[in-house]
Amino acid sequence: GQQVMQIPQYQHVQEGEDFTTYCNSSTTLSNIQWYKQRPGGHPVFLIQLVKSGEVKKQKRLTFQFGEAKKNSSLHITATQTTDVGTYFCAGPGTQGGSEKLVFGKGTKLTVNP
Amino acid sequence: DVKVTQSSRYLVKRTGEKVFLECVQDMDHENMFWYRQDPGLGLRLIYFSYDVKMKEKGDIPEGYSVSREKKERFSLILESASTNQTSMYLCASSGDRVSADTQYFGPGTRLTVL
Repeated sequence: GQQVMQIPQYQHVQEGEDFTTYCNSSTTLSNIQWYKQRPGGHPVFLIQLVKSGEVKKQKRLTFQFGEAKKNSSLHITATQTTDVGTYFCAGPGTQGGSEKLVFGKGTKLTVNP
Repeated sequence: DVKVTQSSRYLVKRTGEKVFLECVQDMDHENMFWYRQDPGLGLRLIYFSYDVKMKEKGDIPEGYSVSREKKERFSLILESASTNQTSMYLCASSGDRVSADTQYFGPGTRLTVL
């Protein structure tokens, strides 16, 4: 079945260091979405990428969608303690209706102040 | 702003009890979802609904059922709770005009089955 893989599963950085998480889909995606879950919280939508090769920025966060629309990355420049949490990527399901999202297992980021 | 609410943040039940988890969304979304989240396993889809009275099984439906009698409300039912159903349960909805499949999550219910 359709799979979305994320690496790494965990990442620990010193405050000020950069961080990148990678997402790979077994199928071509019409779009990819990124969510952030703070400790004790729930996933919150960050952004959606639709076009092949698309790059979007949100302050220190840079999101990329691969040319083949099968992979994506999230890069955080100069991490801060507020970046702590688990980052999930998700793509529309290809089986049955498109209402479903298939989520990666997430990358848990911890930041040492 | 989309608001998704869940009936309880924390719930403790005994093995064999029937458990109801309720979710309400206020954005007139067509789609609603129930996930469970366990450490190292990510978000696993239990059931989803794309319309009133319509439901489809997700990846792990065993031991669960759902009910959607009204568009805004989606209930998850554990017919006979077991200890391996101790988990965080997250409800979500989608169906925004701007991005149909972006999901908005509720705060979650942490269920403990003793």
